[in-house]
Amino acid sequence: SQQGEEDPQALSIQEGENATMNCSYKTSINNLQWYRQNSGRGLVHLILIRSNEREKHSGRLRVTLDTSKKSSSLLITASRAADTASYFCATDVNTGNQFYFGTGTSLTVIP
Amino acid sequence: EAQVTQNPRYLITVTGKKLTVTCSQNMNHEYMSWYRQDPGLGLRQIYYSMNVEVTDKGDVPEGYKVSRKEKRNFPLILESPSPNQTSLYFCASSQRRTPYTYTFGSGTRLTVV
Repeated sequence: SQQGEEDPQALSIQEGENATMNCSYKTSINNLQWYRQNSGRGLVHLILIRSNEREKHSGRLRVTLDTSKKSSSLLITASRAADTASYFCATDVNTGNQFYFGTGTSLTVIP
Repeated sequence: EAQVTQNPRYLITVTGKKLTVTCSQNMNHEYMSWYRQDPGLGLRQIYYSMNVEVTDKGDVPEGYKVSRKEKRNFPLILESPSPNQTSLYFCASSQRRTPYTYTFGSGTRLTVV
């Protein structure tokens, strides 16, 4: 399976701290995306990084991609209680027809 | 508002009783997909559709059917639900051109007893 794996499974930090979560995947990809899921709700797209990019920023989010290691990281700076959610990476392989989601990192930001 | 609408939000049913979960999107997206989410397993793709009348199996299609008669609708059909289909289901859609980014519905929590 192409399914990615996020690490850690769960992360708890204080408000204002930075949160870093990692994603590893198995085969070559076109691009990698990160999604957020608030408890039991639908996933919301956060940011996309293409396979030929190494780093991308969007507001307080920073994503890196290392295709040689087949891994990506998501950094959330200056975290807020509202960032409490599960975060998933998603990859689409060369065919582009199917998405594969990781198992998610559950982030808790303590006010 | 651009959105994917799933119904119902919650459903409790009995084993063997056919049910349909509806999904509709108003963004003129070609690509639609169904996922199920189970603890520890993440999201797994059930079926997807590249366009009207074009559907294909995902990773876990057994026990499910789909149809795509209209571009906006992509219902998920469980002909004879079983308890192992108890799960949280999501419909999602995206434009066909790369890169694909998904818009998700709010989810349907299904319990089969």
